[in-house]
Amino acid sequence: AQSVTQLGSHVSVSEGALVLLRCNYSSSVPPYLFWYVQYPNQGLQLLLKYTSAATLVKGINGFEAEFKKSETSFHLTKPSAHMSDAAEYFCAVIPRRGYNKLIFGAGTRLAVHP
Amino acid sequence: DTAVSQTPKYLVTQMGNDKSIKCEQNLGHDTMYWYKQDSKKFLKIMFSYNNKELIINETVPNRFSPKSPDKAHLNLHINSLELGDSAVYFCASSQPSLAGATYNEQFFGPGTRLTVL
Repeated sequence: AQSVTQLGSHVSVSEGALVLLRCNYSSSVPPYLFWYVQYPNQGLQLLLKYTSAATLVKGINGFEAEFKKSETSFHLTKPSAHMSDAAEYFCAVIPRRGYNKLIFGAGTRLAVHP
Repeated sequence: DTAVSQTPKYLVTQMGNDKSIKCEQNLGHDTMYWYKQDSKKFLKIMFSYNNKELIINETVPNRFSPKSPDKAHLNLHINSLELGDSAVYFCASSQPSLAGATYNEQFFGPGTRLTVL
């Protein structure tokens, strides 16, 4: 079965530090990959997506992610954390095209401290 | 001008009751979804409808019944509520992704927090 693994349920960084949230997927064919953000008591917002174009994907709010097929990874990064980045982040996969079912990872809670 | 809206935002009810959550989207999308987020924040798809037709039905108890009166609405009815149904339920919508087509982004509603006592 297709799955998504997010390493680290909680990540804490200082304001201004690098943010790295890890995501690994299992898929027998090139998947679509996504990062969503959920702010407290809100719905999910798409940060960025990989759909087989450029392997380095830039998203909103300064986030980016790199698709590495050899490592089956799609880690999310941001060079400098801001207090407003504190939220829950979900990696998700659509395992095959034409099948719009998102499979989510367990989520990573990002805390940013002064 | 909300894209995907859900009502109510909060729902507190007793075990055994029947309740409904409504979802409406004004994006002109043909496909709508229901997701469940449990207490550990894990998100899983429950149902998907395309133009009022059920296309995804995960392993969900038949106490849960989605109803789509038109393609802009997908309501979720839950009968005989149980403690384990307590969760946040998210509605989403997108254009349909046909075989071989590019993925179409799913837009999520704000969620409905259901608490069963």
